[in-house]
Amino acid sequence: DGGITQSPKYLFRKEGQNVTLSCEQNLNHDAMYWYRQDPGQGLRLIYYSQIVNDFQKGDIAEGYSVSREKKESFPLTVTSAQKNPTAFYLCASTLAVGRAGELFFGEGSRLTVL
Amino acid sequence: AQSVAQPEDQVNVAEGNPLTVKCTYSVSGNPYLFWYVQYPNRGLQFLLKYITGDNLVKGSYGFEAEFNKSQTSFHLKKPSALVSDSALYFCAVRDIRGNNRLAFGKGNQVVVIP
Repeated sequence: DGGITQSPKYLFRKEGQNVTLSCEQNLNHDAMYWYRQDPGQGLRLIYYSQIVNDFQKGDIAEGYSVSREKKESFPLTVTSAQKNPTAFYLCASTLAVGRAGELFFGEGSRLTVL
Repeated sequence: AQSVAQPEDQVNVAEGNPLTVKCTYSVSGNPYLFWYVQYPNRGLQFLLKYITGDNLVKGSYGFEAEFNKSQTSFHLKKPSALVSDSALYFCAVRDIRGNNRLAFGKGNQVVVIP
C-alpha cells in the first residue's frame, strides 16, 4: 500500500544528543515536509523540500537539519542546539505539480528529552 | 504571508446535533483551503478541500465546508455529529500564487457528548 512511514514512533533522548527521525514515502511525491506539533500551537513548519537535493527552511528551522538525497526519503535530525526538542513530529508529502494537492501525513514520531 | 484563524479552542456538541467548526483565512491572492482531522497520537487525515468552483465542498465521513470569499471563511460542518467525530480539526490555507507552503490553524478540539 502507498503511504508515508515514520520511524521510530517513540524516541527518548538525553540532553546533548543528536537524533534522526526517518520519513519514507512510496507515493512518488515530489515535495516533502517536516512539521512540529506542540499542544495548543498547531503545526509549525521546520523544513520542506520540493525536489531531490534541495530544501528550504520553514518557520522554526533552528536546531534542526535535513537531507533529501532520494526522492522517497527526507530524514530530520534534531541536534543538541534545539533548546526544547520534546514534541510530536510529523512528516508529510504532496505532488508538487500545482499547489492544489493535499498533504499526506505519516503517523508521527514523539520525541522526549530526558 | 498566508494565515489561518480558528477562534474556538474547543467545540462541544451533543451526539446527533449539527457540528460546526469555524475557520477564517488570510492570503494575498486566491486561496486553496483544506480541512484535516487528527486522532490522538496519530497523523493528520485529509477531509476535504476547496480549489475552485462550487462554494460548498463535500468530503469524507459526511463532512462538508462552505467557502465564503467575502467573509474569508471556510467553516466545516456536519449535519449530525457522532461520538467518533471527537478529534482535533485543523484548517489550512495555501496561496495559489505563493510558494508551496501550507499554513495551519491552531486546531479545534471537538467533543461529541453521547
